[in-house]
Amino acid sequence: EIVMTQSPATLSVSPGERATLSCRASQSVHRNLAWYQHKAGQSPRLLIYGASTRATGIPTRFSGSGSGTEFTLTISSLQSEDFAIYYCQQYNIWITFGQGTRLEIE
Amino acid sequence: EVQLVESGGVVAQPGGSLRLSCVASGFNFDDYMMHWVRQAPGKGLEWVALFSWDGGSEYYADSVKGRFTISRDNSKNSLFLEMNTLRSEDTALYYCAKNRAAVAGTDAFDIWGLGTMVIVSS
Repeated sequence: EIVMTQSPATLSVSPGERATLSCRASQSVHRNLAWYQHKAGQSPRLLIYGASTRATGIPTRFSGSGSGTEFTLTISSLQSEDFAIYYCQQYNIWITFGQGTRLEIE
Repeated sequence: EVQLVESGGVVAQPGGSLRLSCVASGFNFDDYMMHWVRQAPGKGLEWVALFSWDGGSEYYADSVKGRFTISRDNSKNSLFLEMNTLRSEDTALYYCAKNRAAVAGTDAFDIWGLGTMVIVSS
């Protein structure tokens, strides 16, 4: 099983600032990597697939990068609605999720 | 509107059985691999099972293998999860999710339902 490790577990950032979230795979997943935003009481929302392609309707302040085993989600200028939990997911060999990064207001 | 609606979640006894359903609308259900994902209280997302678009394969997380069975009825645009030998650790919100790419293997999940809650408790 491919293990996905996200860091940090919690990230405190002020609105308007940049947030950088990391995800590491235990073996190469090439670019078969997605990012999701999850808010309490809502369904997870697909942000990024193919490591760097924004899903339909996702604002340009969200960007993804990386390949192989190291990936990054960057939110360029945090809005109030961006504070949530973020998960990475590999779909190269079956499916596994990271444990999540909680993005909170500093 | 593309939509997934789950149902069937209840309080069940340890060792008991349960069947979850997911009805899809707004897209050609036949063409997409479908998944079940769960989230235990206070925990992260855990992928549970998948069923391929062509019916050729199903696959399970180790935590549910041998106890859960995923199936689909394309004539009813429906996905199912048969859950047997339930354990307390199966307590979770169960989501149905759609593969992003059609007629394809595993991909990101672009559509999720709101989930159905399963509580395993005596």
